[in-house]
Amino acid sequence: AQTVTQSQPEMSVQEAETVTLSCTYDTSESDYYLFWYKQPPSRQMILVIRQEAYKQQNATENRFSVNFQKAAKSFSLKISDSQLGDAAMYFCAYRTEIQGAQKLVFGQGTRLTINP
Amino acid sequence: DAGVTQSPTHLIKTRGQQVTLRCSPKSGHDTVSWYQQALGQGPQFIFQYYEEEERQRGNFPDRFSGHQFPNYSSELNVNALLLGDSALYLCASSFRQGSYEQYFGPGTRLTVT
Repeated sequence: AQTVTQSQPEMSVQEAETVTLSCTYDTSESDYYLFWYKQPPSRQMILVIRQEAYKQQNATENRFSVNFQKAAKSFSLKISDSQLGDAAMYFCAYRTEIQGAQKLVFGQGTRLTINP
Repeated sequence: DAGVTQSPTHLIKTRGQQVTLRCSPKSGHDTVSWYQQALGQGPQFIFQYYEEEERQRGNFPDRFSGHQFPNYSSELNVNALLLGDSALYLCASSFRQGSYEQYFGPGTRLTVT
């Protein structure tokens, strides 16, 4: 079974600085998708970025980028120029598919605080 | 373009009661997944519905059941509520063919007393 581990329960960063959130996963599959979701206090889970395992190029979305190391099964999220609105819980998720049905396996989350 | 909606926003039930939560998927989506998120934890997969059938199920007892309607909306039913069922219940929708993201609703906060 796939597992996702986020080893940093909490992180903090000064506004405008860069922070990296760590995620490792375990799988025997060769083709899969990885995601980072953001969950602010409003509770709504918001998709931040996705990475297809077959792509060697790291995904980027504006200030958000990932460092995907397939051999190491590592998938970290870098947030550049941190803003107060980035404060939230961040979840790393692995998408697995069985007989046409998909599910997301989530890590425990990292609470990110932005200091003004 | 309406996103995923869920109702109610929150509710309080007594141990042993039954509850029904509702979800309307994002426009154009045909697949609905349900997740349970305990306080301070990541979401846990309950089950997924498409074509009005349960397609995959996580490690949850039969007290948890669901339904999908022809308009793709879905219900999650929980019978014989336990204190441990208190959690945020998240609905996520996706398009079965060719899309790999799941889009989440705002969740329903269930408190069992």
